[in-house]
Amino acid sequence: QQQVKQSPQSLIVQKGGISIINCAYENTAFDYFPWYQQFPGKGPALLIAIRPDVSEKKEGRFTISFNKSAKQFSLHIMDSQPGDSATYFCAVCSGYSTLTFGKGTMLLVSP
Amino acid sequence: DAGITQSPRHKVTETGTPVTLRCHQTENHRYMYWYRQDPGHGLRLIHYSYGVKDTDKGEVSDGYSVSRSKTEDFLLTLESATSSQTSVYFCAISPGLAGVGEQYFGPGTRLTVT
Repeated sequence: QQQVKQSPQSLIVQKGGISIINCAYENTAFDYFPWYQQFPGKGPALLIAIRPDVSEKKEGRFTISFNKSAKQFSLHIMDSQPGDSATYFCAVCSGYSTLTFGKGTMLLVSP
Repeated sequence: DAGITQSPRHKVTETGTPVTLRCHQTENHRYMYWYRQDPGHGLRLIHYSYGVKDTDKGEVSDGYSVSRSKTEDFLLTLESATSSQTSVYFCAISPGLAGVGEQYFGPGTRLTVT
């Protein structure tokens, strides 16, 4: 049972463009929706997160949009830079702060 | 890496041998987790701990056991390693604040079972 579906699997964006990654989840018993960023050879790092009582959260060039009724949330990276090239994971949080992750999106920002 | 170390960082072992991976934290966080990461599967939770001697199973716990005798250490044991357990293993910690799922990950251990 896949609780979190993430798309696309890979994404190529030109420098300065907008990167958009989407996630959909399957039940409503989640109370925290984070995005993690992972560079090759490193562990994932928390990028930005949102609670279900908020529809949008922005931190610098990164924005989460959350649609509770559709059970979807997305990550937008504005003015994408080559340094943003990484793998991005969405996740849903339930009891004991456990996370269920999407399968990841490999983002390449071309110079 | 938020005061988290994993050891060893790389290990090659043979099928059928026992393997123990160690996660050590200096943050005094209550919750600790073990994940495996495989291409096409993302990160999957193996086991987690919500306190000393308190552990529970995650999504892919078969073939793995854990122990936590001190706040700072969380051990993952493969009782009899199989080739399907070749993976990158990540430990993570969380302060365990209600409704907040922040987790901080270690650098990972690359395990190869031949």
